[in-house]
Amino acid sequence: AQSVTQLGSHVSVSEGALVLLRCNYSSSVPPYLFWYVQYPNQGLQLLLKYTSAATLVKGINGFEAEFKKSETSFHLTKPSAHMSDAAEYFCAVSPHNNDMRFGAGTRLTVKP
Amino acid sequence: NAGVTQTPKFRILKIGQSMTLQCTQDMNHNYMYWYRQDPGMGLKLIYYSVGAGITDKGEVPNGYNVSRSTTEDFPLRLELAAPSQTSVYFCASSHSGTSGHEQYFGPGTRLTVT
Repeated sequence: AQSVTQLGSHVSVSEGALVLLRCNYSSSVPPYLFWYVQYPNQGLQLLLKYTSAATLVKGINGFEAEFKKSETSFHLTKPSAHMSDAAEYFCAVSPHNNDMRFGAGTRLTVKP
Repeated sequence: NAGVTQTPKFRILKIGQSMTLQCTQDMNHNYMYWYRQDPGMGLKLIYYSVGAGITDKGEVPNGYNVSRSTTEDFPLRLELAAPSQTSVYFCASSHSGTSGHEQYFGPGTRLTVT
């Protein structure tokens, strides 16, 4: 069965610092991978998705993620954190669109 | 284009009461989903539908029922509310079952059962 593990339930960075949120997946077939962001009291919004077209995926708000098959990873990065990036981030894997499995989430705090 | 809308935003139920969470999408998506979100647990799929008249169980269906009479609407029914159903519920939709099609989420319903 497909699953994802997000390493670190809480990450804290200073404004302007690098953001790195970790996600490892397990999948018996080539996976489709997603990163979603959830702002307080809102639903999830898609940040970016990997669908095998390119290993480095660029998303909204300056985020990007790199698919590394050898490491079964899909880590999310942003070169310079902004206060508005404070939110909860979810990694998800989907072999089929009716079976998307989400990680437990990582809460990002950005300090001034 | 409102996307996915959910009502109500908040609700408090007593144990044993029943209620229906409403979900509507205006994007003509054929796939719709219900998730629950509990702290530190991510999202768990309750039920999903691949089109009007077709529904199927997800990972945590016990205590819930759904119906899909139209493309737009996908209500979630709780028949006998229990404290374990205290959670935030999200409805989502997507264009098709093809992998790589992202899901669009509603704003959620926060339910407390006491």
